[in-house]
Amino acid sequence: AQSVTQLGSHVSVSEGALVLLRCNYSSSVPPYLFWYVQYPNQGLQLLLKYTSAATLVKGINGFEAEFKKSETSFHLTKPSAHMSDAAEYFCAVSARTTGNQFYFGTGTSLTVIP
Amino acid sequence: GAVVSQHPSRVICKSGTSVKIECRSLDFQATTMFWYRQFPKQSLMLMATSNEGSKATYEQGVEKDKFLINHASLTLSTLTVTSAHPEDSSFYICSAIGLAGVTQETQYFGPGTRLLVL
Repeated sequence: AQSVTQLGSHVSVSEGALVLLRCNYSSSVPPYLFWYVQYPNQGLQLLLKYTSAATLVKGINGFEAEFKKSETSFHLTKPSAHMSDAAEYFCAVSARTTGNQFYFGTGTSLTVIP
Repeated sequence: GAVVSQHPSRVICKSGTSVKIECRSLDFQATTMFWYRQFPKQSLMLMATSNEGSKATYEQGVEKDKFLINHASLTLSTLTVTSAHPEDSSFYICSAIGLAGVTQETQYFGPGTRLLVL
């Protein structure tokens, strides 16, 4: 079984500051891990994904995440927050099976303070 | 690449009527499509999983006779909310997983459909 825990339902950072959104997963098999962003009244946009090999994954909009098996974590970071980063962020895990179900975290709302 | 569309983006209907929402994968073939429901300020709730040419698999607590899902082709799935009631008002989002390549392991999401039942 797979599950995801996102610590912190709300995170506020100043513009230009480091963004750190936490995600811990539980999986009985090697997982695929994903981060998605959702802007108000829109669908989810894929930021980045971990599927194999490289544990440091770079995504769009300057975001990156590191897969740490020992810590069962996949935290999302961005060195310098921009006002446009304000959104809802979801971490998701799936088993390494084509077409398999995703399990989403409860989401983290990021606020960027000017 | 990997674009998913939904139509309509917003719909308002009267209680007791049926509403159909379309989900299309525009540039890839989708073996599996998922339908989610999202309440304000909450995460996504998986309603059902559909595979092309077969019956959808519904999550526990989701009424299959109320939320009819058809996945008639590798690029189109539809969700019909039958005899809609105000409590069905919500944001419905679909996603799709493809046959090969980068679309094979990743769910790509549509922009969502806002349903308001009066």
